[in-house]
Amino acid sequence: DAGVTQSPTHLIKTRGQQVTLRCSPKSGHDTVSWYQQALGQGPQFIFQYYEEEERQRGNFPDRFSGHQFPNYSSELNVNALLLGDSALYLCASSFRDRWYEQYFGPGTRLTVT
Amino acid sequence: GNSVTQMEGPVTLSEEAFLTINCTYTATGYPSLFWYVQYPGEGLQLLLKATKADDKGSNKGFEATYRKETTSFHLEKGSVQVSDSAVYFCALSRNTGNQFYFGTGTSLTVIP
Repeated sequence: DAGVTQSPTHLIKTRGQQVTLRCSPKSGHDTVSWYQQALGQGPQFIFQYYEEEERQRGNFPDRFSGHQFPNYSSELNVNALLLGDSALYLCASSFRDRWYEQYFGPGTRLTVT
Repeated sequence: GNSVTQMEGPVTLSEEAFLTINCTYTATGYPSLFWYVQYPGEGLQLLLKATKADDKGSNKGFEATYRKETTSFHLEKGSVQVSDSAVYFCALSRNTGNQFYFGTGTSLTVIP
């Protein structure tokens, strides 16, 4: 049983560009959450998707947007990249009724130059 | 607001030593509390959880008790092993399942 997978593993972008990160949840999971983890910090909640809708959003600007597809996979889009967006982006999936059991992917390391 | 404060690391212990990593929280209502572990080169893994006051979460020899009176959820292990070397994160969620709040993490290194 595959766990949470994320692509790409690493990404280098230039300021002002746009980026799309992808996440496939663990089999059977219907809820996907995205987190940003800066170096030496804990993960910060960006938003959560369930039934293809954004259910909750953390304190992130509108430059951060997402999408969930019918197969429960998800994308995180970041527009107008800033140097401060450099971080590890983590995807976590869970089953709605067992929300406390979040499974995390290995993350995508984004570097903005 | 909701937040988690962890003791700062890094922590270095000898094998078989006793481990305590302190965690305190601020939250509205009655959150659930969690410890996650991040081994080198791997993603975050749920280590243990407690969903109400006085609950004790336990897994792999680690324990933590949800103390509402002191708003704490300290992680303990009686005898650490080299394989326990990792970064440990304390986290809370307000039982809606929508948002988790993580601490900054505590790096643990266990030396033989």
